[in-house]
Amino acid sequence: AQSVTQPDIHITVSEGASLELRCNYSYGATPYLFWYVQSPGQGLQLLLKYFSGDTLVQGIKGFEAEFKRSQSSFNLRKPSVHWSDAAEYFCAVGSTSYDKVIFGPGTSLSVIP
Amino acid sequence: KAGVTQTPRYLIKTRGQQVTLSCSPISGHRSVSWYQQTPGQGLQFLFEYFSETQRNKGNFPGRFSGRQFSNSRSEMNVSTLELGDSALYLCASSLGTGVGQPQHFGDGTRLSIL
Repeated sequence: AQSVTQPDIHITVSEGASLELRCNYSYGATPYLFWYVQSPGQGLQLLLKYFSGDTLVQGIKGFEAEFKRSQSSFNLRKPSVHWSDAAEYFCAVGSTSYDKVIFGPGTSLSVIP
Repeated sequence: KAGVTQTPRYLIKTRGQQVTLSCSPISGHRSVSWYQQTPGQGLQFLFEYFSETQRNKGNFPGRFSGRQFSNSRSEMNVSTLELGDSALYLCASSLGTGVGQPQHFGDGTRLSIL
């Protein structure tokens, strides 16, 4: 069955530190991959997406993600975190085989000064 | 360009009542999807409408229904409300349909059932 896992429920980092949020999926073929961010009281905002081509994709707000087919992973990274990055982050996977987009459970990010 | 607009932002209902939520997509977007977000279950797909037709449906009971109008605006209806229906209901629009389409989300309707 298709699934999306985000192993870290909650992460706390210091402002200025680097960040990596993990995402793993189980699908047969290369799916469409997305990262969204949700600030409190708001909807989700698309950070970046991967469909094909270069496995390192750049997104908004200084985020990037790397697709690793061998590990079925699509981890999100940021070299230096800002306090405004505190939010919930969702990895999402779209499969043409199942014709659905599945969201991971989310990772809550806290940033300490 | 205006974003996705959901109304109302907050709703309080009692068990057994019914509720209708509204979603206005970004201008030019023809696909509207609805999601239920709860702390325990996360984001769960309810259904997707494209060109006034339900294109896809999640695993929810028939009490949850929706429709889309010719201007792409969409409504979601929940009948015979249960306590477990308390959630944030999110609407997302996209230009076209298909799992590769990036979705643009509204800020949601917070539904509380007493």
